[in-house]
Amino acid sequence: EIVLTQSPGTLSLSPGERATLSCRASQSVNNDYLAWYQQKPGQAPRLLMYSASARATGIPNRFSGSGSGTDFTLIIYGLEPEDFAVYYCQQYGDSPTFGQGTKVEIK
Amino acid sequence: EVQLVESGGGLVKPGGSLRLSCATSGFTFSSYIMNWVRQAPGKGLEWVSSISSSSSYIYYADSVKGRFTISRDNAKNSLYLQMNSLRAEDTAVYYCARDYCTGGSCNLFDSWGQGILVTVSS
Repeated sequence: EIVLTQSPGTLSLSPGERATLSCRASQSVNNDYLAWYQQKPGQAPRLLMYSASARATGIPNRFSGSGSGTDFTLIIYGLEPEDFAVYYCQQYGDSPTFGQGTKVEIK
Repeated sequence: EVQLVESGGGLVKPGGSLRLSCATSGFTFSSYIMNWVRQAPGKGLEWVSSISSSSSYIYYADSVKGRFTISRDNAKNSLYLQMNSLRAEDTAVYYCARDYCTGGSCNLFDSWGQGILVTVSS
C-alpha cells in the first residue's frame, strides 16, 4: 500500500495569500496518478486536480498542481474566502489511498 | 445534473449487519465504475470498495474484505454495500462515489453523494 503523508497539518493564512501544500508518497506513484480534493465541513469532497497537474472541470486557475514520483505540491494563488477547507491528496496508480489532509484556515 | 443519494445508515451493534444503498441520476449509471469511500468522524478518507460497470470486477480494501459486499443494479441505477460483522472501527460517513477514468487509470472520484452515517456501538 502506498502511504501518502501531507504537510503541514494546518496552514493559517489570510485571504489573498498563497497556500503551498505538500504530499509525499512512500513509493513512486505510477504515471504520477495523483489527485487533490477539497472538503468543506459537512460536505463531500470535491475533485480539484488529477494527473498531478490537470484541473478538474470548473476548477479556477488559481489552483495549481505539480510534482512527480514521490513529491507533489498543490498551490493556491490568492486565497479566496471559499478556499478555506481541508485538502486531501490521493494516489490512484495502485489500490487507491489518501493522505491525512491539510487544513487551510483563516489567520 | 449528476446526483448520488445514499440511504440505509444508522446505529448498529457490533457484529451486526447493515445494507447501504446509493440511488443515482443524471448520468448513464451502467457505463461507470462505482465506489464506496468512508470517513471516520474527524478523520481522513478511506477507499472501501469498487465495482466495474458490469459487475465483472470487484475490489475491496483489506480492512473490509470478507465482511463487506458491493453490488449494483443497473436497471435501477443503484449501488449497494452489504456490511456484515460490523466493528466499532467501521463507524464512519460512507460516501457513494462515481469513478472517473482518464489517461489509462481509474479510481479517481469525480462525483460524490452527501454521505450517510453508520455508527457501530453497543
